Amino acid sequence: DSGVTQTPKHLITATGQRVTLRCSPRSGDLSVYWYQQSLDQGLQFLIQYYNGEERAKGNILERFSAQQFPDLHSELNLSSLELGDSALYFCASSWGQGDSPLHFGNGTRLTVT
Amino acid sequence: SQQGEEDPQALSIQEGENATMNCSYKTSINNLQWYRQNSGRGLVHLILIRSNEREKHSGRLRVTLDTSKKSSSLLITASRAADTASYFCATWAGGTSYGKLTFGQGTILTVHP
Repeated sequence: DSGVTQTPKHLITATGQRVTLRCSPRSGDLSVYWYQQSLDQGLQFLIQYYNGEERAKGNILERFSAQQFPDLHSELNLSSLELGDSALYFCASSWGQGDSPLHFGNGTRLTVT
Repeated sequence: SQQGEEDPQALSIQEGENATMNCSYKTSINNLQWYRQNSGRGLVHLILIRSNEREKHSGRLRVTLDTSKKSSSLLITASRAADTASYFCATWAGGTSYGKLTFGQGTILTVHP
């Protein structure tokens, strides 16, 4: 058990809808990372927060947004969903940045129909 | 785009044999990390090697890093059926307060009992 909790585990929704994915980092970890994993794109870095502040941005679409709250949990909001957004979304946490291993949750499997 | 590229894409061996996976990357890095993923699960951190290190061991794992060739290798000795998983290299390029961990496409390892 990595100590990182992601909810929900599965999400099925229709095109055009909006969903929120939630992540609770491992106790004591200040950094939260979001990744998207799909068969054709592999594991894509979306965004990183450190102690509530956005620190790095990857291939995150404008339809997607995220935030990290004062209690360090994070949410990833996906809107105007398209079929191509179907993927596994992982949250990971680490104590520091860069020099610390990432601890991954088990992901949220999003299916857009 | 992916920073790291693993080779081979898939590897099939018998229990007891050694498994070697290679990773090449394109830009300068601060560290390189290896992760393992069982089907549909979150990634698990295996080992981190810094840019000023050449070799690191952890149990049956041996990682080498050659920054002049921008390449790394992961050796799993005396493999077991339970080692069957996907293995990813990931590179960190950035400062201490920013940056991102970029993953390669992974090597699928199958260990036959």
